[in-house]
Amino acid sequence: AQSVTQLDSQVPVFEEAPVELRCNYSSSVSVYLFWYVQYPNQGLQLLLKYLSGSTLVESINGFEAEFNKSQTSFHLRKPSVHISDTAEYFCAVTFSGSARQLTFGSGTQLTVLP
Amino acid sequence: DTEVTQTPKHLVMGMTNKKSLKCEQHMGHRAMYWYKQKAKKPPELMFVYSYEKLSINESVPSRFSPECPNSSLLNLHLHALQPEDSALYLCASSQDFGGGPGDTQYFGPGTRLTVL
Repeated sequence: AQSVTQLDSQVPVFEEAPVELRCNYSSSVSVYLFWYVQYPNQGLQLLLKYLSGSTLVESINGFEAEFNKSQTSFHLRKPSVHISDTAEYFCAVTFSGSARQLTFGSGTQLTVLP
Repeated sequence: DTEVTQTPKHLVMGMTNKKSLKCEQHMGHRAMYWYKQKAKKPPELMFVYSYEKLSINESVPSRFSPECPNSSLLNLHLHALQPEDSALYLCASSQDFGGGPGDTQYFGPGTRLTVL
């Protein structure tokens, strides 16, 4: 069965500390991988995506994620977080083949503490 | 430009009212989506339009009626809703809906719906 798992529902971290939000998927077919961020009372914003090519992808605000095919993971990292990074983060996957819908993980609430 | 706009931002309606949500994109995308999101949950897919034709209906109750008047516009007509339908309704669009990289979805800001 194809699925996406975000192991941590809540991640509190102090400002300027590093953070990793974990995402694993289960699939027997090829995948496209996404991270979306949702700030309070807003819609989802595409943070970064892996479609093909380099397995390390970066966003404009300092986040990066690495596609690891052997471990079926796409963890999101940032070396130094800011208060403004406080938000809900969703990992999402599309699986090639007939099921073309976006499958979301359950989300991780990142709270950056002063 | 990857902007999807939605109106209204907030909507309060009674169970006997009829209202509509609107979504617009000018990116030339040919697929548009409606999602429902409850608090602290991921979005749930409701409908997918591809090339202005309904491609997917995820067994949504008939009190929700989608419409795609043209490739840039997507409406969601609401009638006789229940309080449990209160949620954030998100619209998204993608270049394509073909199982490839063009399926990257861009979301609008959402409409916060409250049903009294």
